[in-house]
Formats: sequence, C-alpha cells, structure tokens
Amino acid sequence: AQTVTQSQPEMSVQEAETVTLSCTYDTSESDYYLFWYKQPPSRQMILVIRQEAYKQQNATENRFSVNFQKAAKSFSLKISDSQLGDAAMYFCAYRSVTSGTYKYIFGTGTRLKVLA
Amino acid sequence: EAGVAQSPRYKIIEKRQSVAFWCNPISGHATLYWYQQILGQGPKLLIQFQNNGVVDDSQLPKDRFSAERLKGVDSTLKIQPAKLEDSAVYLCASSLEGGGISTYEQYFGPGTRLTVT
Repeated sequence: AQTVTQSQPEMSVQEAETVTLSCTYDTSESDYYLFWYKQPPSRQMILVIRQEAYKQQNATENRFSVNFQKAAKSFSLKISDSQLGDAAMYFCAYRSVTSGTYKYIFGTGTRLKVLA
Repeated sequence: EAGVAQSPRYKIIEKRQSVAFWCNPISGHATLYWYQQILGQGPKLLIQFQNNGVVDDSQLPKDRFSAERLKGVDSTLKIQPAKLEDSAVYLCASSLEGGGISTYEQYFGPGTRLTVT
C-alpha cells in the first residue's frame, strides 16, 4: 500500500527567506502524480504545485519549486522569498494513475509559520 | 466558475444522532471525493465517486457511514449513529480527471465542521 510521510510537523521561516518542506512516499508503482496542497487557517485547501513521476524535470510555480527524487521517493517543496501569506498547513499528496487503483493519499501535513 | 459548495458549514450533534452533509462539485467534474480531516491530521479519503459509481470506499466505516451521488452530480454523506470520534471536518473535493496531470487537481469545498458531544 502507498504511504506518504511528512516528518516535519512544524517549520518556521523568516519573511523573505527560503524554506524546504520534506515529503517521502512509498509505492511500488512506476507512474503516479505528486502534489503539494496548501491549507491556510480557516480557508480552503488549494493546489500549490504538481509533478508527474515520469518527468525528470522538477516543477516550478513562481516562488514554489520541488526537488523530486524518484529513486529516493522524495518530493520536497521549496518556498523562496517567503511571505506572510505563505503561513499555512502544507500537505503532500500522492495520486495513483495505475488502472484499477485510484488512491489519493495525503501526508499528515507541515505547519509553516512565517516570521515578520 | 463556481467552486465546490458544501453545507452545512457547522454542525453540532449528540452521540447516537444522525447527520447528513451535502456537496455540489464543480460543474463537469466527474470525480468527487469525501475526506475526513481530524484536527491536526491530513485528510483521510472516505469515499471516491467516478460519476455516480463508487471507485474506492475502503476506508469508509460502512456500519455507520453512507454516501451517495445521484445522477453523478451532487453527493450526500450520512453518519448514523454518530460517535464522539467522528468529530472532524468533512471535506468534499472534485476533479475533472481523464486527461493530463492538470485534470487531477482537486478543488476543495470549505468543509463541514462536525462536533459530536
């Protein structure tokens, strides 16, 4: 069975600094999708960034980028030039795309605090 | 484009009572998810629909939870009877799916916060 692990319950970063959130996963599948979602306090969860497993190139969305290491089953999120609005819970998620299995699994989350 | 709608936003019930949650996904989204998110934890998938068929309900406590998605659009999630440990936020999400990775992005509703006393 697939699992997603976020080993950092909480992280802090100074405004304008860079922070990296860790995520590891376990799977026997060769093709899958990985996502980072953001859940601000009392607000809806939204997608931050996504990555196809078959792509070696790391995804980038403005200040957000990932370090995808397929062999190590690692998918970390880097936030550059952190802003106060980045404060939220961040969830790493795995989505199977193998026919017959449609698991969408979330990690336990990392709470990011941004210090002014 | 309207987002995923959920109601009610908050619900307080006593244990052993029943409760129902409603979700209206984004128009055209074939896949609908119900998640349970206990405070401080990540969302746990309860059930996933593809149109009006169930794709995965392996983590749905079927002795007390039920869900349906009539006509492949709206969905309701019911708990009967509720237990104290059911206190959580119940999230509904939808996605288009069937194309590239962008179609697998989930759009979440605001959630329903359930308190069982």
